[in-house]
Amino acid sequence: SQKIEQNSEALNIQEGKTATLTCNYTNYSPAYLQWYRQDPGRGPVFLLLIRENEKEKRKERLKVTFDTTLKQSLFHITASQPADSATYLCALGFSGGYNKLIFGAGTRLAVHP
Amino acid sequence: NAGVTQTPKFRVLKTGQSMTLLCAQDMNHEYMYWYRQDPGMGLRLIHYSVGEGTTAKGEVPDGYNVSRLKKQNFLLGLESAAPSQTSVYFCASNRQGPDYTFGSGTRLTVV
Repeated sequence: SQKIEQNSEALNIQEGKTATLTCNYTNYSPAYLQWYRQDPGRGPVFLLLIRENEKEKRKERLKVTFDTTLKQSLFHITASQPADSATYLCALGFSGGYNKLIFGAGTRLAVHP
Repeated sequence: NAGVTQTPKFRVLKTGQSMTLLCAQDMNHEYMYWYRQDPGMGLRLIHYSVGEGTTAKGEVPDGYNVSRLKKQNFLLGLESAAPSQTSVYFCASNRQGPDYTFGSGTRLTVV
């Protein structure tokens, strides 16, 4: 069956450390993968997109990797801050048509001072 | 620039009642989507639209109907609400690029 999995347990880290979140999928062949941030009571906000032919993408303190052989993406936040505390969703995208996305359930990140 | 606006933000319905959720975007986006979000599950696509006057079914369309009479508006209707439709509903839109802009959600409880 097709699955997209993110760690359901919250990730607790100390301020200043690097947070690493994982997104694994099975029986999908995505053309790209996206990461979104969601704060309580709010809609998801787009952060980064990485395509199947890209290994790594960076944006400020954020870094995403995409391994289509392992069927896995890693999302890193370096020098984490309490303001980075949120739920992070990964989403798979596919070529052709209207950009329908398949979302993971998300991982909650808590950064402690 | 408001982006994507959803109304209402909260609603409590009795089983069997009907209601319409409104999504409005001011970015001239072609594509619009309705998702539901339930605890422990990813966002699931209910219906989507690739342009004015067009709609299509997503992953979980049963019990819902949609209409897109104007490009900027996408309506989600529940004809006869059921407790299983208790959820948070999100509308999203995009143009050609794959990144979505989401609304802030509608929290619906069916009792």
